[in-house]
Amino acid sequence: DAGVTQSPTHLIKTRGQHVTLRCSPISGHKSVSWYQQVLGQGPQFIFQYYEKEERGRGNFPDRFSARQFPNYSSELNVNALLLGDSALYLCASSLQGNQPQHFGDGTRLSIL
Amino acid sequence: AQSVSQHNHHVILSEAASLELGCNYSYGGTVNLFWYVQYPGQHLQLLLKYFSGDPLVKGIKGFEAEFIKSKFSFNLRKPSVQWSDTAEYFCAVISVFNTDKLIFGTGTRLQVFP
Repeated sequence: DAGVTQSPTHLIKTRGQHVTLRCSPISGHKSVSWYQQVLGQGPQFIFQYYEKEERGRGNFPDRFSARQFPNYSSELNVNALLLGDSALYLCASSLQGNQPQHFGDGTRLSIL
Repeated sequence: AQSVSQHNHHVILSEAASLELGCNYSYGGTVNLFWYVQYPGQHLQLLLKYFSGDPLVKGIKGFEAEFIKSKFSFNLRKPSVQWSDTAEYFCAVISVFNTDKLIFGTGTRLQVFP
């Protein structure tokens, strides 16, 4: 079975630009969550979507947004990029919100 | 607000040594608890989980963890580590009644030398 897939794997942007990250969950998983992981820290929760509805949001500014599509894939959008947005962005899927989450390899975002 | 503390940031052991990594969480309600592992160059993988029942849970690769509710702890143990256990270990907690947020600790980097 295919795991959680994320694209792109690496991305370089400059300050002020916009970025879209994509995630395909494991087949059958309806819940998708996004996390930001900076070096030396654990993943920080950004969003959770379940059945195409936002179920939770972490302590991130409104520049961060996401959505989930009818096929349960998801996009994370970040506007007006700042240097501090440089991080590994992880996507995870699960059958339901409290079930174990399965993580993708992440998208490494670098802001110059 | 929920939080997870991992006291050991960096642990260095020789092969065959015993391992215990500490994890404490702050949340007054019922929680599900997880340990994830990230091997070098790989994605986060579930090591073990606690939902209910026996507070001593066994995971993959000989790892186990004990949930002590009175201490809000979920420490990870392994009797004898191997070089291949070199990785970063993350403890995580999610509320049973508010399942939107999985909260991670800062992680513990384990290095095992032959």
